[in-house]
Amino acid sequence: QKEVEQNSGPLSVPEGAIASLNCTYSDRGSQSFFWYRQYSGKSPELIMSIYSNGDKEDGRFTAQLNKASQYVSLLIRDSQPSDSATYLCAVIGAQKLVFGQGTRLTINP
Amino acid sequence: GAVVSQHPSRVICKSGTSVKIECRSLDFQATTMFWYRQFPKKSLMLMATSNEGSKATYEQGVEKDKFLINHASLTLSTLTVTSAHPEDSSFYICSANPPGQAYNSPLHFGNGTRLTVT
Repeated sequence: QKEVEQNSGPLSVPEGAIASLNCTYSDRGSQSFFWYRQYSGKSPELIMSIYSNGDKEDGRFTAQLNKASQYVSLLIRDSQPSDSATYLCAVIGAQKLVFGQGTRLTINP
Repeated sequence: GAVVSQHPSRVICKSGTSVKIECRSLDFQATTMFWYRQFPKKSLMLMATSNEGSKATYEQGVEKDKFLINHASLTLSTLTVTSAHPEDSSFYICSANPPGQAYNSPLHFGNGTRLTVT
């Protein structure tokens, strides 16, 4: 089992709709969870971090964490074409940041 | 704050030669830096953890004699790909965090180095 798993997509969402990205992780002791956005040929940029169960909202982005189910998700409301990118879920386990394989998201105008 | 600079951004080298990639923390001192590699359409894979003043810690399957890491100062870590081969062509990204944030905070990434070995 991979340490961090994501659906690789591609995920296609119409402009203005809600994009939902999901991630599961294997290390039950993990405490820190992050979502990064990566445009083609660029380094990842942090968009959300979450450390406790529940929802965390920041603008159009909402991160959701369920430690019992070992599940973390990212919702993007009012999706824009500029949101088209690969979204990487990352989890800190054993003092290192482990990434999922990423979900490629395309927002269709 | 917490800016990480990586150089060069792109490099093309011939098979068998060595390439050095630099990672600098510009506005903080980093006792620990991380080197990742990303193949096309794949995720970032941690290669090694660079520790200032001591040996780097390599992940399983990463050849330490091929990927030489030097962290001689608190603001600079270098990755040297020795005797490069076409299969080493990849996107190499370094990352670091200010002291006290190394292990529980998101990392600040450099802009990456696109290595192409011909």
